[in-house]
Amino acid sequence: DAGVIQSPRHEVTEMGQEVTLRCKPISGHNSLFWYRQTMMRGLELLIYFNNNVPIDDSGMPEDRFSAKMPNASFSTLKIQPSEPRDSAVYFCASSLAARVNEKLFFGSGTQLSVL
Amino acid sequence: SQQGEEDPQALSIQEGENATMNCSYKTSINNLQWYRQNSGRGLVHLILIRSNEREKHSGRLRVTLDTSKKSSSLLITASRAADTASYFCVKRDSWGKLQFGAGTQVVVTP
Repeated sequence: DAGVIQSPRHEVTEMGQEVTLRCKPISGHNSLFWYRQTMMRGLELLIYFNNNVPIDDSGMPEDRFSAKMPNASFSTLKIQPSEPRDSAVYFCASSLAARVNEKLFFGSGTQLSVL
Repeated sequence: SQQGEEDPQALSIQEGENATMNCSYKTSINNLQWYRQNSGRGLVHLILIRSNEREKHSGRLRVTLDTSKKSSSLLITASRAADTASYFCVKRDSWGKLQFGAGTQVVVTP
């Protein structure tokens, strides 16, 4: 299996532009998570899906952020409009289920720089 | 606030030495997981210890859990340069969310 695949690997954009990050989870995994990592705040859970349904989006910073999972093999995280403080590494992770003992498999992340 | 606070924040050792890092948490847990992150990469799951377990081994890794002290430790024996990474302890809170600590940065020099 190729693991969790994220694209793009790097994204540089200007403030105010729309940014779309993409994720393909591991086939057969039912749960998908979006995390953001910064030096100041560490790893923060933004949102997670179970069976393509958003379960908890309380970590989404504000309305500029939105996430979708139209099917079991694809998810997007969109920022519109982007701001410099959104600069971070965004990780997507998947697991077999959102059960207590399930481990997460992470993608390589998207490094976002908003100028 | 972040659950799973690691200590120390940074650790520098030489190859062959053992590395020990600790993790404290605040509320009751079902299990605690440890992950490794190499620079510029995603996190990789290392080991999971359940609340009714006190010690677990995986290769050169040894994890202990003391629920009375709400703490866990990760020991890497006979460290190698390839062990250079950040290590995170992760617990699932009462809402089911995985909470990551700030991590311990380990540098292993040849």
